[in-house]
Order: sequence, then C-alpha cells, then structure tokens
Amino acid sequence: KNEVEQSPQNLTAQEGEFITINCSYSVGISALHWLQQHPGGGIVSLFMLSSGKKKHGRLIATINIQEKHSSLHITASHPRDSAVYICAVPYYGGSQGNLIFGKGTKLSVKP
Amino acid sequence: EAQVTQNPRYLITVTGKKLTVTCSQNMNHEYMSWYRQDPGLGLRQIYYSMNVEVTDKGDVPEGYKVSRKEKRNFPLILESPSPNQTSLYFCASTTDFSGANVLTFGAGSRLTVL
Repeated sequence: KNEVEQSPQNLTAQEGEFITINCSYSVGISALHWLQQHPGGGIVSLFMLSSGKKKHGRLIATINIQEKHSSLHITASHPRDSAVYICAVPYYGGSQGNLIFGKGTKLSVKP
Repeated sequence: EAQVTQNPRYLITVTGKKLTVTCSQNMNHEYMSWYRQDPGLGLRQIYYSMNVEVTDKGDVPEGYKVSRKEKRNFPLILESPSPNQTSLYFCASTTDFSGANVLTFGAGSRLTVL
C-alpha cells in the first residue's frame, strides 16, 4: 500500500523559531492536504496544494510534485501553534476517493 | 455557518449494542467520509461516499456500515460494536473528490466500547 511519510514525528521549538515539517509520498498525486489538530481533537484544514506554494499568515506550504515532497513552514512560531500537523493525499491507485494520512508531527512551542 | 455536525460527541457503550453516529453537512457537498483515529496509527479511512447512494470501503471498513440516502447525511453504523472499535471518529466532507478542494471536518466523536 502506498504510504505517506512525515518527519519529524515530534518537534519542540522555542517561541519565535522557524519550523519546518516534511511530508513525502510514494505515488504521483494531484493534490496534498495539510491539516492541524489541536489538543482536544478538532481537525482543521490548513492548505490544499497541487503545485508551488501557498501562504496563510505565518504558515507557508510548498509542494514539489516531481520529487513527491511537501513542506509546511511556520515562521515566528508561537505557543498557540502547538498542535499535531498531518498531511494527507488522495489515493487513486485503488479505490477512488480514498485518502491516506501521514501519522502526524506533534509540535510543541515553548514560551 | 458552514459546518459538519457529528453526534454524539461522546459515547460509552457495551459490546454488541448497536449504535449509530450521525454526520450532517450543510454545504451541499458531494463527498463525505468517515475516519477513525487511534494512538500510533493516525487517521484511517473507514468508508466514503462520492455522492448520494454511492458508497465505498476505505482502509478499515470491517465492523462498520454506512448509508447515503440524502446528500447532507452520512451516518456510521456499528451493528455489533466490539472493544477494538473504541476510537475517536471523524466525519468530513468536501465539494467533490477531485483533490482540489479543502476538507471540512466534524468535531469528532469519542466512542468507548466496554
């Protein structure tokens, strides 16, 4: 089964640091999702990327379709950024409509 | 407000007692899906629906049933729950599954099967 790999699994940073979370996948895809899950459980969609780069506030997401790699960057990190960040890709190799998730990166930003 | 609503949010039940977790969206989305989240395993897809009356299995469909009789509703049915179905469940929807649209998630339903 095709997989989505995230790194690192856990990340601790000091407030203000620049943070990078990576996502690699093993098949050609048309798009990739970045999700955020805060303690307490709710999941929010941050970005949907099919090419290039997207920016929302202090969050920047990039994707390289040829290299099958995406990164999520957080500039000037803040304790409220502490959450689990998950990437997900639509999988068309088998059942259409199947979404595969990375296991997530747990980020903790210390004041 | 555009949202996906799941109920119940928390449920403790016993083995074998049938239960239904409801999911409703008010955005006229065609695609709806159910996921379970377990420590160390992350999110895994249970079932999804591309449109009304069209459903298909995800990665972990065993022990679950779904139906999509109306566009807005996509209930998850556990006919005979077992302890290994104790998990955090999420419903999500999006416009269509072209991969070009963001997902909207429900708040989650924490289920414990004793």
